[in-house]
Amino acid sequence: SQKIEQNSEALNIQEGKTATLTCNYTNYSPAYLQWYRQDPGRGPVFLLLIRENEKEKRKERLKVTFDTTLKQSLFHITASQPADSATYLCALRPGGTGRRALTFGSGTRLQVQP
Amino acid sequence: DVKVTQSSRYLVKRTGEKVFLECVQDMDHENMFWYRQDPGLGLRLIYFSYDVKMKEKGDIPEGYSVSREKKERFSLILESASTNQTSMYLCASRPILVPRDSPLHFGNGTRLTVT
Repeated sequence: SQKIEQNSEALNIQEGKTATLTCNYTNYSPAYLQWYRQDPGRGPVFLLLIRENEKEKRKERLKVTFDTTLKQSLFHITASQPADSATYLCALRPGGTGRRALTFGSGTRLQVQP
Repeated sequence: DVKVTQSSRYLVKRTGEKVFLECVQDMDHENMFWYRQDPGLGLRLIYFSYDVKMKEKGDIPEGYSVSREKKERFSLILESASTNQTSMYLCASRPILVPRDSPLHFGNGTRLTVT
């Protein structure tokens, strides 16, 4: 069956360190993968997109990698700050002519300690 | 900025009631979606609509229906609410772009409790 897996345990790190979150998928051939941030009581907000033919994408302190052989995406926040504390969701759209809607992982909660 | 507005932040309904959740977007987006979010299960797609009067079932459509009479509005209907439909409901929209990888714009959710 198709699965998207994110670490369900919260990730706790110290301010200034790099946070690395993992998204693994099974039985998908995604055309692209997206990362979202969700704060408590709010809807997810889009952060970054990476396509199947891209290895890495950067935006300010954020970096996303995409390894289609390992079927994995890594999301990095460098020089983390307490304001980065949130839940981070990965989402992918299956490749080909299948359904057009995104499928989401269950998210990983990041807690950055001052 | 795109705005996706869900009509209620919190709703409490009784078992068996017919419930309407409304969502409006202001950016002329073709695609609209309804997800529900539950702890440990993430976001699960209920229905989506790729244009006016068009709809497709998502992963968990049972017990729900939708209506898209106008481009800006997408309604989720619980025909007869049950306690297992207690959840956070999230509406989202996006434009059709080529390539088809435009991000979703979400509302802030409606927390529905069915008693």
